[in-house]
Amino acid sequence: DAGVIQSPRHEVTEMGQEVTLRCKPISGHDYLFWYRQTMMRGLELLIYFNNNVPIDDSGMPEDRFSAKMPNASFSTLKIQPSEPRDSAVYFCASNDRLHSSYNEQFFGPGTRLTVL
Amino acid sequence: KQEVTQIPAALSVPEGENLVLNCSFTDSAIYNLQWFRQDPGKGLTSLLLIQSSQREQTSGRLNASLDKSSGRSTLYIAASQPGDSATYLCAVTDSWGKLQFGAGTQVVVTP
Repeated sequence: DAGVIQSPRHEVTEMGQEVTLRCKPISGHDYLFWYRQTMMRGLELLIYFNNNVPIDDSGMPEDRFSAKMPNASFSTLKIQPSEPRDSAVYFCASNDRLHSSYNEQFFGPGTRLTVL
Repeated sequence: KQEVTQIPAALSVPEGENLVLNCSFTDSAIYNLQWFRQDPGKGLTSLLLIQSSQREQTSGRLNASLDKSSGRSTLYIAASQPGDSATYLCAVTDSWGKLQFGAGTQVVVTP
């Protein structure tokens, strides 16, 4: 398996623009997580899905952030409108809780977002 | 609310020395604990996962211990090498599968 795939790897945009980050989890994994990493706050969980259904979005900072998982192999994180303080690295992770008791999460390479 | 703390924040050692990285957490009701490695500008690589019922895990030069009752885990890296230079993060998993990360320990191993 290719692991968790994220695109784009780098995104530079201007304040006010819409940004869409994409994630393809490992095939067969039933949980998908979105994290954000900043120097000030470290790694924070934004939202996670189980079988494509959002379970906990309490980490989503504002209504400007939204996430969807239309099918088991694709998820998006959208920011509209974007602001400079959204600049961070966004990670997607997945795991297989249905078949594995280890609950180990596998991370994608991340998307580095810069909002000017 | 679970809080995860890593001490020290940064560590520099000469090549060959053993590394000791500490992680503490406030709520002992964890499902497991993971240690990750992060290289600059890169993603997270899982190093070791310790189930809540386990006391330690080993992989090559890496050994991680877990004392759930006292809320502590320690990552030992034997005979450090310059290639071990990275940031090491610990994270605890709750019963819902949510990870709570520490701020990390930045390690530099000098030749």
